Amino acid sequence: KAGVTQTPRYLIKTRGQQVTLSCSPISGHRSVSWYQQTPGQGLQFLFEYFSETQRNKGNFPGRFSGRQFSNSRSEMNVSTLELGDSALYLCASSLIPMGNTEAFFGQGTRLTVV
Amino acid sequence: KNEVEQSPQNLTAQEGEFITINCSYSVGISALHWLQQHPGGGIVSLFMLSSGKKKHGRLIATINIQEKHSSLHITASHPRDSAVYICAVHTGTASKLTFGTGTRLQVTL
Repeated sequence: KAGVTQTPRYLIKTRGQQVTLSCSPISGHRSVSWYQQTPGQGLQFLFEYFSETQRNKGNFPGRFSGRQFSNSRSEMNVSTLELGDSALYLCASSLIPMGNTEAFFGQGTRLTVV
Repeated sequence: KNEVEQSPQNLTAQEGEFITINCSYSVGISALHWLQQHPGGGIVSLFMLSSGKKKHGRLIATINIQEKHSSLHITASHPRDSAVYICAVHTGTASKLTFGTGTRLQVTL
Protein backbone atom coordinates (compact mmCIF):
# COMPACT_ATOMS: atom_id res chain seq x y z
CA LYS A 1 0.00 0.00 0.00
CA ALA A 2 1.60 3.25 -1.10
CA GLY A 3 2.14 5.89 1.54
CA VAL A 4 1.40 9.58 1.41
CA THR A 5 3.19 11.16 -1.53
CA GLN A 6 4.18 14.79 -1.62
CA THR A 7 5.58 16.51 -4.68
CA PRO A 8 7.92 18.13 -5.26
CA ARG A 9 10.32 17.24 -2.43
CA TYR A 10 12.36 20.40 -2.80
CA LEU A 11 11.54 23.76 -4.30
CA ILE A 12 13.33 27.09 -4.58
CA LYS A 13 11.24 30.15 -5.42
CA THR A 14 11.80 33.87 -5.55
CA ARG A 15 9.96 36.40 -3.40
CA GLY A 16 6.71 37.45 -4.99
CA GLN A 17 6.23 34.24 -6.94
CA GLN A 18 3.54 31.70 -6.21
CA VAL A 19 3.90 27.98 -5.58
CA THR A 20 1.67 24.92 -5.68
CA LEU A 21 2.40 21.83 -3.63
CA SER A 22 0.72 18.46 -4.11
CA CYS A 23 -0.26 15.71 -1.72
CA SER A 24 -1.60 12.29 -2.69
CA PRO A 25 -3.10 10.51 0.31
CA ILE A 26 -3.11 6.82 1.02
CA SER A 27 -5.66 5.03 -1.14
CA GLY A 28 -9.06 5.17 0.53
CA HIS A 29 -8.19 8.07 2.81
CA ARG A 30 -10.52 11.02 2.33
CA SER A 31 -9.04 13.47 4.82
CA VAL A 32 -5.92 15.51 4.10
CA SER A 33 -4.34 18.03 6.45
CA TRP A 34 -1.50 20.43 5.77
CA TYR A 35 1.13 21.68 8.20
CA GLN A 36 3.97 24.16 8.09
CA GLN A 37 7.16 23.47 10.02
CA THR A 38 9.73 26.19 10.68
CA PRO A 39 12.63 26.29 13.16
CA GLY A 40 11.05 29.22 14.97
CA GLN A 41 7.38 28.23 15.12
CA GLY A 42 7.57 24.45 14.96
CA LEU A 43 4.67 22.58 13.41
CA GLN A 44 1.56 24.61 12.74
CA PHE A 45 -1.75 23.57 11.26
CA LEU A 46 -2.64 25.12 7.91
CA PHE A 47 -5.91 23.50 6.84
CA GLU A 48 -7.82 20.27 6.55
CA TYR A 49 -9.91 18.91 3.72
CA PHE A 50 -12.43 16.12 3.77
CA SER A 51 -14.45 15.03 0.76
CA GLU A 52 -13.39 18.12 -1.20
CA THR A 53 -14.52 20.51 1.54
CA GLN A 54 -12.29 22.61 3.75
CA ARG A 55 -13.26 21.69 7.30
CA ASN A 56 -10.85 23.80 9.25
CA LYS A 57 -8.24 26.49 8.68
CA GLY A 58 -5.32 27.57 10.79
CA ASN A 59 -4.19 31.08 11.54
CA PHE A 60 -2.44 31.86 8.27
CA PRO A 61 -2.94 34.76 5.85
CA GLY A 62 -5.16 34.46 2.81
CA ARG A 63 -2.08 33.95 0.64
CA PHE A 64 -2.24 30.34 1.77
CA SER A 65 -5.01 28.37 0.12
CA GLY A 66 -5.78 24.81 -0.79
CA ARG A 67 -8.20 22.49 -2.40
CA GLN A 68 -9.04 18.83 -2.62
CA PHE A 69 -10.05 16.91 -5.70
CA SER A 70 -12.59 14.14 -6.08
CA ASN A 71 -9.82 11.53 -5.91
CA SER A 72 -8.81 13.00 -2.51
CA ARG A 73 -5.55 14.42 -3.81
CA SER A 74 -4.92 17.84 -2.38
CA GLU A 75 -2.97 20.89 -3.41
CA MET A 76 -1.93 23.90 -1.44
CA ASN A 77 -1.01 27.20 -2.99
CA VAL A 78 0.98 30.08 -1.60
CA SER A 79 0.84 33.33 -3.51
CA THR A 80 3.14 36.34 -3.29
CA LEU A 81 5.83 34.37 -1.53
CA GLU A 82 7.73 35.96 1.34
CA LEU A 83 11.08 34.94 2.80
CA GLY A 84 9.27 33.79 5.94
CA ASP A 85 7.35 31.20 3.94
CA SER A 86 10.52 29.12 3.71
CA ALA A 87 9.60 25.97 5.56
CA LEU A 88 8.93 22.26 5.40
CA TYR A 89 5.34 21.72 4.33
CA LEU A 90 3.88 18.41 5.45
CA CYS A 91 0.62 16.79 4.62
CA ALA A 92 -1.08 13.98 6.46
CA SER A 93 -3.90 11.72 5.43
CA SER A 94 -6.42 9.78 7.45
CA LEU A 95 -9.53 7.77 6.79
CA ILE A 96 -11.75 10.34 8.43
CA PRO A 97 -11.05 13.85 9.71
CA MET A 98 -8.00 13.73 11.91
CA GLY A 99 -8.23 13.51 15.63
CA ASN A 100 -9.40 10.19 16.90
CA THR A 101 -7.79 8.36 14.03
CA GLU A 102 -4.24 7.54 13.04
CA ALA A 103 -2.57 10.02 10.72
CA PHE A 104 -0.03 9.14 8.06
CA PHE A 105 2.43 11.83 7.06
CA GLY A 106 4.25 12.41 3.82
CA GLN A 107 7.97 13.20 3.52
CA GLY A 108 7.23 16.87 3.07
CA THR A 109 8.11 19.55 0.56
CA ARG A 110 10.98 21.79 1.57
CA LEU A 111 10.33 25.25 0.18
CA THR A 112 13.07 27.84 0.10
CA VAL A 113 12.16 31.41 -0.81
CA VAL A 114 15.07 33.61 -1.90
CA LYS B 1 2.23 29.41 27.61
CA ASN B 2 1.99 26.77 24.90
CA GLU B 3 -0.98 24.44 25.05
CA VAL B 4 1.40 21.49 24.66
CA GLU B 5 4.70 21.36 26.54
CA GLN B 6 7.38 18.71 26.13
CA SER B 7 10.39 17.89 28.24
CA PRO B 8 13.22 17.59 27.93
CA GLN B 9 13.95 19.62 24.79
CA ASN B 10 17.17 17.72 24.19
CA LEU B 11 18.24 14.32 25.41
CA THR B 12 21.45 12.38 24.95
CA ALA B 13 21.58 8.75 25.99
CA GLN B 14 23.90 5.81 25.64
CA GLU B 15 22.82 2.73 23.75
CA GLY B 16 20.77 0.46 25.97
CA GLU B 17 19.47 3.15 28.29
CA PHE B 18 15.79 3.53 29.21
CA ILE B 19 14.42 6.83 27.94
CA THR B 20 11.40 8.85 28.99
CA ILE B 21 9.97 11.85 27.17
CA ASN B 22 7.17 13.80 28.78
CA CYS B 23 4.25 15.76 27.37
CA SER B 24 1.88 17.99 29.31
CA TYR B 25 -1.11 19.78 27.89
CA SER B 26 -3.41 22.42 29.25
CA VAL B 27 -6.60 21.82 27.27
CA GLY B 28 -9.17 19.08 27.18
CA ILE B 29 -8.30 16.56 24.51
CA SER B 30 -9.92 13.68 22.75
CA ALA B 31 -6.67 12.08 21.59
CA LEU B 32 -2.91 12.46 21.87
CA HIS B 33 -0.41 11.46 19.21
CA TRP B 34 3.27 10.66 19.51
CA LEU B 35 5.21 11.29 16.32
CA GLN B 36 8.80 10.62 15.27
CA GLN B 37 10.70 12.82 12.85
CA HIS B 38 14.06 11.82 11.40
CA PRO B 39 16.54 14.34 9.95
CA GLY B 40 15.14 13.84 6.43
CA GLY B 41 11.94 15.52 7.58
CA GLY B 42 9.33 12.80 7.19
CA ILE B 43 7.09 12.14 10.18
CA VAL B 44 6.01 8.72 11.39
CA SER B 45 3.04 8.27 13.67
CA LEU B 46 4.06 6.11 16.62
CA PHE B 47 0.96 6.07 18.80
CA MET B 48 -2.48 7.54 19.15
CA LEU B 49 -3.85 7.46 22.69
CA SER B 50 -7.04 8.51 24.33
CA SER B 51 -6.55 6.56 27.56
CA GLY B 52 -4.28 4.06 29.27
CA LYS B 53 -1.19 2.60 27.71
CA LYS B 54 0.02 1.26 24.38
CA LYS B 55 3.11 -0.76 23.50
CA HIS B 56 4.81 -1.38 20.19
CA GLY B 57 8.12 -3.19 20.25
CA ARG B 58 10.50 -1.21 22.48
CA LEU B 59 8.18 1.78 22.62
CA ILE B 60 5.58 2.36 25.31
CA ALA B 61 3.21 5.31 25.54
CA THR B 62 1.04 6.17 28.51
CA ILE B 63 -1.51 8.88 29.14
CA ASN B 64 -3.16 10.21 32.30
CA ILE B 65 -6.19 12.19 31.25
CA GLN B 66 -6.88 13.58 34.75
CA GLU B 67 -3.33 14.90 35.10
CA LYS B 68 -3.17 16.01 31.43
CA HIS B 69 0.11 14.21 30.98
CA SER B 70 1.58 11.60 28.65
CA SER B 71 4.93 9.85 28.52
CA LEU B 72 6.79 8.06 25.78
CA HIS B 73 9.26 5.43 26.93
CA ILE B 74 11.95 3.74 24.87
CA THR B 75 13.47 0.61 26.34
CA ALA B 76 16.94 -0.62 25.34
CA SER B 77 17.60 2.49 23.26
CA HIS B 78 19.55 2.20 20.03
CA PRO B 79 21.30 4.78 17.82
CA ARG B 80 18.56 4.32 15.20
CA ASP B 81 16.13 5.77 17.76
CA SER B 82 17.88 9.13 17.31
CA ALA B 83 15.21 11.50 16.07
CA VAL B 84 12.89 14.27 17.16
CA TYR B 85 9.85 13.03 19.08
CA ILE B 86 6.78 15.21 18.92
CA CYS B 87 3.65 15.14 21.02
CA ALA B 88 0.45 16.42 19.40
CA VAL B 89 -3.08 16.73 20.73
CA HIS B 90 -6.50 16.81 19.19
CA THR B 91 -8.84 18.96 21.19
CA GLY B 92 -12.01 17.58 19.74
CA THR B 93 -13.44 21.01 19.00
CA ALA B 94 -11.66 21.21 15.69
CA SER B 95 -10.14 18.65 13.43
CA LYS B 96 -6.59 19.88 13.79
CA LEU B 97 -3.53 18.84 15.76
CA THR B 98 -1.68 21.15 18.14
CA PHE B 99 1.97 20.22 18.47
CA GLY B 100 4.59 20.35 21.16
CA THR B 101 8.00 21.75 20.32
CA GLY B 102 9.58 18.32 20.16
CA THR B 103 12.32 16.46 22.01
CA ARG B 104 15.56 15.90 20.15
CA LEU B 105 16.99 12.49 21.14
CA GLN B 106 20.53 11.42 20.38
CA VAL B 107 21.52 7.87 21.25
CA THR B 108 25.24 7.16 21.16
CA LEU B 109 27.18 3.90 21.10
